[in-house]
Amino acid sequence: EDKVVQSPLSLVVHEGDTVTLNCSYEVTNFRSLLWYKQEKKAPTFLFMLTSSGIEKKSGRLSSILDKKELSSILNITATQTGDSAIYLCAVKSSNQFYFGTGTSLTVIP
Amino acid sequence: GAVVSQHPSRVICKSGTSVKIECRSLDFQATTMFWYRQFPKQSLMLMATSNEGSKATYEQGVEKDKFLINHASLTLSTLTVTSAHPEDSSFYICSARDGISTDTQYFGPGTRLTVL
Repeated sequence: EDKVVQSPLSLVVHEGDTVTLNCSYEVTNFRSLLWYKQEKKAPTFLFMLTSSGIEKKSGRLSSILDKKELSSILNITATQTGDSAIYLCAVKSSNQFYFGTGTSLTVIP
Repeated sequence: GAVVSQHPSRVICKSGTSVKIECRSLDFQATTMFWYRQFPKQSLMLMATSNEGSKATYEQGVEKDKFLINHASLTLSTLTVTSAHPEDSSFYICSARDGISTDTQYFGPGTRLTVL
């Protein structure tokens, strides 16, 4: 059964902390792995990863894919209260998406 | 875990025809369902929010007469793309909330619509 599992389910940190969110998958015909940030309405696209070992970076956020371990991590450094959100991981196969249930991150001032 | 299915997974239709996409929650009751459209560069656009038994709430810029949404039961919502045009070609993804955990959304696998 194809699936995407994210951990932890929820996380509470203080401003300035660094967090690592995990996404593991079992998906046949893997094409890409996507990270989204969901605050209120539609998830906001963060990264798309297709190749193993290549880090993608955007400001304080970075992500990397490990195809051997069938996993990806999303790092957020120097967290801010505005980082509070649900972070979704999705894997795209040849013609379907598999979403995880997300990690709920709360950053306390 | 909670599972959301969509049917069909892929559909090709001629311009001017209508296409219905189903979104089902298989093992829970979905009080709220969401319909998204994926655009190039992977962004997801929320089209509408539907609550069982009531009219859907459409986001600004989404034509409600073109994208008909029906949430007739606690396990089924449908999106009908009427008079489809090639520019409607996209991935349409639904998600559902179970009404218990207000934050968690369970996403369906998506439906790829191609309008010729």
